[in-house]
Amino acid sequence: QITLKESGPTLVKPTQTLTVTCTFSGFSLSTSGVGVGWIRQPPGKALEWLALIYWDDDKRYSPSLKSRLTITKDTSKNQVVLTMTNMDPVDTATYYCVHRPAMAAADNWFDPWGQGTLVTVSS
Amino acid sequence: QSVLTQPPSVSGAPGQRVTISCTGSSSNIGAGYDVHWYQQLPRTAPKLLISGNSNRPSGVPDRFSGSKSGTSASLAITGLQAEDEADYYCQSYDSSLSGYVFGTGTKVTVL
Repeated sequence: QITLKESGPTLVKPTQTLTVTCTFSGFSLSTSGVGVGWIRQPPGKALEWLALIYWDDDKRYSPSLKSRLTITKDTSKNQVVLTMTNMDPVDTATYYCVHRPAMAAADNWFDPWGQGTLVTVSS
Repeated sequence: QSVLTQPPSVSGAPGQRVTISCTGSSSNIGAGYDVHWYQQLPRTAPKLLISGNSNRPSGVPDRFSGSKSGTSASLAITGLQAEDEADYYCQSYDSSLSGYVFGTGTKVTVL
Protein backbone atom coordinates (compact mmCIF):
# COMPACT_ATOMS: atom_id res chain seq x y z
CA GLN A 1 0.00 0.00 0.00
CA ILE A 2 1.38 3.36 -1.06
CA THR A 3 1.05 6.25 1.38
CA LEU A 4 2.37 9.80 1.34
CA LYS A 5 2.31 12.41 4.07
CA GLU A 6 3.18 16.07 3.91
CA SER A 7 4.82 18.02 6.71
CA GLY A 8 5.92 21.58 7.16
CA PRO A 9 4.94 24.93 8.64
CA THR A 10 1.31 25.95 8.81
CA LEU A 11 2.16 29.65 8.76
CA VAL A 12 4.86 31.55 6.88
CA LYS A 13 5.43 35.27 6.55
CA PRO A 14 5.47 37.12 3.23
CA THR A 15 8.88 37.01 1.49
CA GLN A 16 9.94 33.93 3.49
CA THR A 17 10.85 30.58 1.94
CA LEU A 18 8.50 27.63 2.36
CA THR A 19 9.91 24.15 2.83
CA VAL A 20 7.51 21.21 2.77
CA THR A 21 8.50 17.57 3.06
CA CYS A 22 6.78 14.50 1.65
CA THR A 23 7.50 11.24 3.46
CA PHE A 24 6.28 8.20 1.59
CA SER A 25 6.10 4.43 1.90
CA GLY A 26 5.08 1.48 -0.22
CA PHE A 27 7.33 2.26 -3.19
CA SER A 28 10.89 3.20 -4.02
CA LEU A 29 11.87 6.39 -5.78
CA SER A 30 14.72 4.48 -7.36
CA THR A 31 12.31 2.33 -9.39
CA SER A 32 12.36 3.18 -13.09
CA GLY A 33 9.48 5.43 -14.15
CA VAL A 34 8.35 6.39 -10.68
CA GLY A 35 7.98 10.01 -9.62
CA VAL A 36 6.76 12.18 -6.75
CA GLY A 37 5.11 15.51 -7.34
CA TRP A 38 3.51 18.48 -5.62
CA ILE A 39 0.11 19.98 -6.34
CA ARG A 40 -1.55 22.83 -4.48
CA GLN A 41 -5.09 24.08 -3.99
CA PRO A 42 -5.95 27.56 -2.67
CA PRO A 43 -9.04 27.59 -0.45
CA GLY A 44 -12.14 27.16 -2.60
CA LYS A 45 -10.13 27.08 -5.81
CA ALA A 46 -8.84 24.59 -8.36
CA LEU A 47 -5.83 22.31 -8.32
CA GLU A 48 -2.48 23.56 -9.65
CA TRP A 49 0.49 21.34 -10.50
CA LEU A 50 3.79 22.65 -9.12
CA ALA A 51 6.65 20.21 -9.61
CA LEU A 52 7.65 16.60 -10.22
CA ILE A 53 10.86 14.67 -9.58
CA TYR A 54 11.56 11.38 -11.33
CA TRP A 55 13.44 8.28 -10.20
CA ASP A 56 16.46 9.37 -12.26
CA ASP A 57 16.51 12.84 -10.60
CA ASP A 58 14.99 14.53 -13.65
CA LYS A 59 12.93 17.48 -12.45
CA ARG A 60 10.01 19.36 -13.99
CA TYR A 61 8.43 22.59 -12.82
CA SER A 62 5.35 24.64 -13.54
CA PRO A 63 6.53 27.32 -15.99
CA SER A 64 4.74 30.09 -14.08
CA LEU A 65 6.48 29.21 -10.79
CA LYS A 66 9.74 27.71 -12.00
CA SER A 67 11.91 30.57 -10.75
CA ARG A 68 10.66 30.08 -7.19
CA LEU A 69 10.59 26.29 -6.90
CA THR A 70 13.16 23.63 -6.09
CA ILE A 71 12.35 19.94 -5.70
CA THR A 72 14.81 17.40 -4.31
CA LYS A 73 14.72 13.79 -3.18
CA ASP A 74 16.39 11.66 -0.56
CA THR A 75 15.85 8.12 -1.71
CA SER A 76 17.36 6.58 1.42
CA LYS A 77 14.89 8.46 3.61
CA ASN A 78 11.92 8.05 1.25
CA GLN A 79 11.45 11.79 1.24
CA VAL A 80 10.89 14.53 -1.32
CA VAL A 81 11.29 18.19 -0.40
CA LEU A 82 9.79 21.22 -2.14
CA THR A 83 11.00 24.73 -1.46
CA MET A 84 9.20 27.84 -2.67
CA THR A 85 10.87 31.20 -2.26
CA ASN A 86 9.41 34.67 -1.78
CA MET A 87 6.07 33.52 -0.41
CA ASP A 88 3.05 35.78 -0.86
CA PRO A 89 -0.47 35.67 0.59
CA VAL A 90 -1.71 34.37 -2.79
CA ASP A 91 0.37 31.25 -2.14
CA THR A 92 -1.93 30.32 0.74
CA ALA A 93 -3.09 26.82 -0.16
CA THR A 94 -3.22 23.17 0.74
CA TYR A 95 -0.08 21.53 -0.63
CA TYR A 96 -0.46 17.91 -1.72
CA CYS A 97 2.25 15.33 -2.34
CA VAL A 98 1.42 12.81 -5.07
CA HIS A 99 2.77 9.54 -6.48
CA ARG A 100 3.45 9.19 -10.18
CA PRO A 101 3.07 5.56 -11.25
CA ALA A 102 5.92 3.88 -13.08
CA MET A 103 5.14 4.47 -16.73
CA ALA A 104 6.91 5.73 -19.81
CA ALA A 105 4.29 8.14 -21.13
CA ALA A 106 4.36 11.78 -20.08
CA ASP A 107 0.60 12.04 -19.68
CA ASN A 108 0.47 10.07 -16.48
CA TRP A 109 -2.01 10.37 -13.65
CA PHE A 110 -1.32 10.88 -9.96
CA ASP A 111 -2.30 8.20 -7.48
CA PRO A 112 -2.46 8.22 -4.55
CA TRP A 113 -2.38 11.65 -2.97
CA GLY A 114 -1.24 12.65 0.49
CA GLN A 115 -3.73 14.18 2.90
CA GLY A 116 -2.34 17.65 2.22
CA THR A 117 -0.98 20.37 4.45
CA LEU A 118 -2.51 23.83 4.68
CA VAL A 119 0.02 26.62 4.47
CA THR A 120 -1.09 30.16 5.27
CA VAL A 121 0.98 33.14 4.22
CA SER A 122 0.40 36.09 6.50
CA SER A 123 2.34 38.62 8.49
CA GLN B 1 -4.81 29.53 -14.00
CA SER B 2 -6.51 26.35 -15.22
CA VAL B 3 -5.93 25.38 -18.82
CA LEU B 4 -8.83 22.91 -19.02
CA THR B 5 -12.37 24.29 -18.79
CA GLN B 6 -15.18 22.59 -16.87
CA PRO B 7 -18.70 23.77 -15.96
CA PRO B 8 -18.71 25.21 -12.43
CA SER B 9 -21.58 23.03 -11.33
CA VAL B 10 -23.98 20.28 -12.37
CA SER B 11 -26.86 18.78 -10.44
CA GLY B 12 -29.28 15.91 -10.65
CA ALA B 13 -31.77 13.93 -8.66
CA PRO B 14 -30.83 10.57 -7.19
CA GLY B 15 -30.78 7.94 -9.90
CA GLN B 16 -30.30 10.40 -12.73
CA ARG B 17 -27.37 10.68 -15.12
CA VAL B 18 -25.10 13.71 -15.18
CA THR B 19 -22.13 14.53 -17.37
CA ILE B 20 -19.17 16.84 -16.83
CA SER B 21 -17.26 18.22 -19.77
CA CYS B 22 -13.56 19.08 -19.88
CA THR B 23 -12.50 21.28 -22.77
CA GLY B 24 -8.88 21.69 -23.73
CA SER B 25 -6.88 22.64 -26.79
CA SER B 26 -4.52 21.34 -29.46
CA SER B 27 -1.58 21.33 -27.05
CA ASN B 28 -3.16 19.04 -24.48
CA ILE B 29 -6.26 16.89 -25.04
CA GLY B 30 -6.28 17.61 -28.78
CA ALA B 31 -2.65 16.53 -29.03
CA GLY B 32 -3.66 13.04 -27.98
CA TYR B 33 -2.68 13.19 -24.34
CA ASP B 34 -4.78 11.15 -21.97
CA VAL B 35 -7.34 12.69 -19.63
CA HIS B 36 -7.71 11.60 -16.02
CA TRP B 37 -10.46 12.42 -13.54
CA TYR B 38 -10.36 12.96 -9.78
CA GLN B 39 -13.10 13.08 -7.18
CA GLN B 40 -12.66 15.37 -4.18
CA LEU B 41 -15.12 14.74 -1.38
CA PRO B 42 -15.62 17.62 1.07
CA ARG B 43 -12.56 18.34 3.18
CA THR B 44 -10.54 15.47 1.72
CA ALA B 45 -7.71 15.03 -0.76
CA PRO B 46 -8.55 14.27 -4.40
CA LYS B 47 -8.82 10.62 -5.36
CA LEU B 48 -8.20 9.09 -8.79
CA LEU B 49 -11.53 8.22 -10.39
CA ILE B 50 -10.72 7.57 -14.06
CA SER B 51 -7.29 7.07 -15.65
CA GLY B 52 -6.33 7.00 -19.30
CA ASN B 53 -9.60 8.54 -20.50
CA SER B 54 -11.87 5.66 -19.57
CA ASN B 55 -10.24 3.24 -17.13
CA ARG B 56 -11.65 2.78 -13.66
CA PRO B 57 -9.16 1.90 -10.90
CA SER B 58 -10.07 -0.97 -8.67
CA GLY B 59 -12.86 -0.04 -6.28
CA VAL B 60 -14.43 2.70 -8.41
CA PRO B 61 -18.09 1.89 -9.14
CA ASP B 62 -18.97 1.21 -12.77
CA ARG B 63 -21.54 4.02 -12.74
CA PHE B 64 -18.56 6.33 -13.35
CA SER B 65 -17.35 6.38 -16.95
CA GLY B 66 -15.07 8.54 -19.02
CA SER B 67 -14.63 9.34 -22.68
CA LYS B 68 -12.55 11.58 -24.91
CA SER B 69 -13.05 13.07 -28.35
CA GLY B 70 -11.07 15.74 -30.13
CA THR B 71 -10.11 18.50 -27.73
CA SER B 72 -12.62 17.48 -25.06
CA ALA B 73 -13.35 14.76 -22.55
CA SER B 74 -16.36 13.86 -20.45
CA LEU B 75 -17.14 12.17 -17.18
CA ALA B 76 -20.54 10.55 -16.78
CA ILE B 77 -22.17 9.48 -13.55
CA THR B 78 -25.18 7.22 -13.98
CA GLY B 79 -27.52 6.31 -11.15
CA LEU B 80 -26.47 9.39 -9.19
CA GLN B 81 -26.17 8.81 -5.45
CA ALA B 82 -25.97 11.18 -2.49
CA GLU B 83 -22.39 10.06 -1.84
CA ASP B 84 -21.38 11.36 -5.27
CA GLU B 85 -21.71 14.95 -4.06
CA ALA B 86 -18.20 16.23 -4.54
CA ASP B 87 -15.89 18.31 -6.69
CA TYR B 88 -14.55 16.68 -9.85
CA TYR B 89 -11.39 17.66 -11.73
CA CYS B 90 -9.98 16.59 -15.06
CA GLN B 91 -6.22 16.50 -15.69
CA SER B 92 -3.96 16.09 -18.70
CA TYR B 93 -0.52 16.98 -20.00
CA ASP B 94 0.26 20.07 -22.04
CA SER B 95 3.10 20.04 -24.54
CA SER B 96 3.40 23.81 -24.83
CA LEU B 97 3.77 24.13 -21.06
CA SER B 98 5.74 20.90 -20.72
CA GLY B 99 3.70 20.18 -17.64
CA TYR B 100 0.49 18.92 -16.15
CA VAL B 101 -2.75 20.84 -16.32
CA PHE B 102 -5.97 20.59 -14.37
CA GLY B 103 -9.53 21.58 -15.09
CA THR B 104 -11.37 24.39 -13.38
CA GLY B 105 -13.37 21.90 -11.33
CA THR B 106 -17.06 20.99 -11.23
CA LYS B 107 -19.23 20.75 -8.15
CA VAL B 108 -21.80 17.97 -8.38
CA THR B 109 -24.93 18.46 -6.29
CA VAL B 110 -27.45 15.71 -5.66
CA LEU B 111 -30.88 17.29 -5.37
